[in-house]
Amino acid sequence: QKEVEQDPGPLSVPEGAIVSLNCTYSNSAFQYFMWYRQYSRKGPELLMYTYSSGNKEDGRFTAQVDKSSKYISLFIRDSQPSDSATYLCAMREDWAGNMLTFGGGTRLMVKP
Amino acid sequence: DAGVTQSPTHLIKTRGQHVTLRCSPISGHKSVSWYQQVLGQGPQFIFQYYEKEERGRGNFPDRFSARQFPNYSSELNVNALLLGDSALYLCASSLGQGEGYTFGSGTRLTVV
Repeated sequence: QKEVEQDPGPLSVPEGAIVSLNCTYSNSAFQYFMWYRQYSRKGPELLMYTYSSGNKEDGRFTAQVDKSSKYISLFIRDSQPSDSATYLCAMREDWAGNMLTFGGGTRLMVKP
Repeated sequence: DAGVTQSPTHLIKTRGQHVTLRCSPISGHKSVSWYQQVLGQGPQFIFQYYEKEERGRGNFPDRFSARQFPNYSSELNVNALLLGDSALYLCASSLGQGEGYTFGSGTRLTVV
């Protein structure tokens, strides 16, 4: 079993839909949680960075962390075709931790 | 401002050969990390360097080595290449060890 599990998709939605992307993890020591967006042939781009449990909102993006369930989510409101990409969750044990543990990524397609 | 730059962008090597990949971090960033991303999977941590010292190593064989220079740029070296080393190699930089990482676009290595 992988430390971080993510449904690979692809997830196909119409433009304007609300998208929900999720990851589950097994390591209870993870405290810092990130979501990255990766376009084809590009490096991952940091979207959201949260600490411990709770919600964080930034524009059309909302990140949720439920440490009791070892479950994190990224919601995208009013999805756009430009949101079509692979979304990677990543986690780290502590502030100075040197290693990010990534999920396998979910491919999202937003159709006009 | 320039982001994280990696060179070369693509290369093809033969099994058994050696390869050197290069990374220039964002100006002012002192931490550089290397990740391997096999097609269809999330990135896997290889090394982190901070202030020119190795601060973390992932589960990779000794064929993989790296170093960081006084100007904070970094090299990743891989000896005795195997077909399974074919992947996108990503470099990420951050101000310090606990900050969010900015990734470069990667070097795509193909071993034939």
